[in-house]
Amino acid sequence: AQSVAQPEDQVNVAEGNPLTVKCTYSVSGNPYLFWYVQYPNRGLQFLLKYITGDNLVKGSYGFEAEFNKSQTSFHLKKPSALVSDSALYFCAVRDRYSSASKIIFGSGTRLSIRP
Amino acid sequence: NAGVTQTPKFQVLKTGQSMTLQCAQDMNHEYMSWYRQDPGMGLRLIHYSVGAGITDQGEVPNGYNVSRSTTEDFPLRLLSAAPSQTSVYFCASSPFPPGTSGRGEQFFGPGTRLTVL
Repeated sequence: AQSVAQPEDQVNVAEGNPLTVKCTYSVSGNPYLFWYVQYPNRGLQFLLKYITGDNLVKGSYGFEAEFNKSQTSFHLKKPSALVSDSALYFCAVRDRYSSASKIIFGSGTRLSIRP
Repeated sequence: NAGVTQTPKFQVLKTGQSMTLQCAQDMNHEYMSWYRQDPGMGLRLIHYSVGAGITDQGEVPNGYNVSRSTTEDFPLRLLSAAPSQTSVYFCASSPFPPGTSGRGEQFFGPGTRLTVL
């Protein structure tokens, strides 16, 4: 069975500082990994994905994520946080070798950037 | 393109009532899915479809039915609403199952906020 964990309910960062939002996963095979962002009263928006290839993936709004197979992690990072980055962030995983096309989301991490 | 549309935006039901949440997309996407979002639980997959006529269960399918008669539409039916189904419901679509053919992005609708009394 596949699962994904976001161990922090909330992350607080000062504007201009680097930010990290953590994600770990569990799949029986190799994963497809995704990050989405949700702004208040909106649907989710895609940020980035890891399918194959380079472990460092760059996405929208200056975000990047590093796939670490040995630690089964896919942490989201940004070198310099903006107040406008404040939102709810979701990590998601799909087992690429599963016959089922399910994608499982984590519980979400609320990112708060203070001016 | 309108993208993914959901109706209604808000709904209040009494226990035992039935209703259908509508979802439509105009991007000719094969893959569509329904999620519910609850505080502290993230998004949980209810049902999904890889194409017209094909549906499958997600993590929390009990109490919900779906059908996919056309590529564009993927309605979610609550046959007998229960207070435990109070939630925000999101529909999403993508050209293929996420990750397939190197694609990843799902497009989400604006959501339906459902309250069951």
